[in-house]
Amino acid sequence: SQTIHQWPATLVQPVGSPLSLECTVEGTSNPNLYWYRQAAGRGLQLLFYSVGIGQISSEVPQNLSASRPQDRQFILSSKKLLLSDSGFYLCAWSPYNEQFFGPGTRLTVL
Amino acid sequence: KQEVTQIPAALSVPEGENLVLNCSFTDSAIYNLQWFRQDPGKGLTSLLLIQSSQREQTSGRLNASLDKSSGRSTLYIAASQPGDSATYLCAVSEPGSGNTGKLIFGQGTTLQVKP
Repeated sequence: SQTIHQWPATLVQPVGSPLSLECTVEGTSNPNLYWYRQAAGRGLQLLFYSVGIGQISSEVPQNLSASRPQDRQFILSSKKLLLSDSGFYLCAWSPYNEQFFGPGTRLTVL
Repeated sequence: KQEVTQIPAALSVPEGENLVLNCSFTDSAIYNLQWFRQDPGKGLTSLLLIQSSQREQTSGRLNASLDKSSGRSTLYIAASQPGDSATYLCAVSEPGSGNTGKLIFGQGTTLQVKP
């Protein structure tokens, strides 16, 4: 069966510090991968998606970036965090139509 | 631009009631619609996926219907239980998104089932 992992589960970072969140999927190959952010009162926002290794599409202009160095690994990064980057970050994968979500990372920027 | 609306934003019912959650979308050119459940501080759990060619899907006490022409979906929960308390999210595939599988989410309905 397929599983999706995210780490860390929680993270507290100062403004201006770098960020790296990791997502890995097991039990499947060549999935579509997605990064979402859920901020209070703003719903679920798609940040990036990837249909293959090295293929990244950005949905929202911001100071975040994403990379897919391996088929089942998706990384969300920032060089300098802003207060507005605080939120709940969710990774998801899809074999074709249906999306499945990871447990999420709670990021607090102080 | 596709917009997804969920009504009501919050709902509180006594245990045992049957209830309906509503989802509407502005562009009927969707590939599919998915209902999710989210518990506080947790990720999303997929409940039901309805393809654009389907009218409904059922899983246990849950039944989801889709009316593409009117841009509506409903999630019916039978004999509600306190364990059903959560936020329910509706999402539709973005029109013209091809094989990307991009979803547009509603804001969710937060359900509380009282014992």
